[in-house]
Amino acid sequence: DTGVSQDPRHKITKRGQNVTFRCDPISEHNRLYWYRQTLGQGPEFLTYFQNEAQLEKSRLLSDRFSAERPKGSFSTLEIQRTEQGDSAMYLCAISGLSRETQYFGPGTRLLVL
Amino acid sequence: GIQVEQSPPDLILQEGANSTLRCNFSDSVNNLQWFHQNPWGQLINLFYIPSGTKQNGRLSATTVATERYSLLYISSSQTTDSGVYFCAVEKKNTGNQFYFGTGTSLTVIP
Repeated sequence: DTGVSQDPRHKITKRGQNVTFRCDPISEHNRLYWYRQTLGQGPEFLTYFQNEAQLEKSRLLSDRFSAERPKGSFSTLEIQRTEQGDSAMYLCAISGLSRETQYFGPGTRLLVL
Repeated sequence: GIQVEQSPPDLILQEGANSTLRCNFSDSVNNLQWFHQNPWGQLINLFYIPSGTKQNGRLSATTVATERYSLLYISSSQTTDSGVYFCAVEKKNTGNQFYFGTGTSLTVIP
């Protein structure tokens, strides 16, 4: 148990639909990251929060993607008007201020038909 | 960004054998971590090792920051070591993005 849960674990949707994923750290951690992983590749950074502030966004994060972390606890990642290229595993990770160790959730596997 | 290359891309070992995995990176880093991704997709942190050497049981890691590489050693491999091993780095003085390599896929056969 890494102390991070993600919901849902799997999501199948049709192209053009909106989807929202949730990440819940069990305990308080200052930093929260979202990554995307496609088959055969390493995770790619999407965005990063320190407490409730979204401090960094990758160029991979198009206008269709939005992330929030109200109150600095759980976080949500929304994808609007999904495309087939959005099919991937979406991973959430947490760390403390020192950033020494990242703890990953189990991921949400998205399939866009 | 920063380039992170891992080798070998694939490795098949007999149970009990030893192996060395390598991670090369193209710029100075202030954070380097090794992860194991099991067959179900869960990523587990193995080491935080921006420099120096650490050991944890059958695993050890060494990072030579000045030469921009890190090594992960697995001794007496077990079938449960199978999965993909990733290194991830944070480039020095450039915010909080972590860059992952493409991984080494390890299969340990009994």
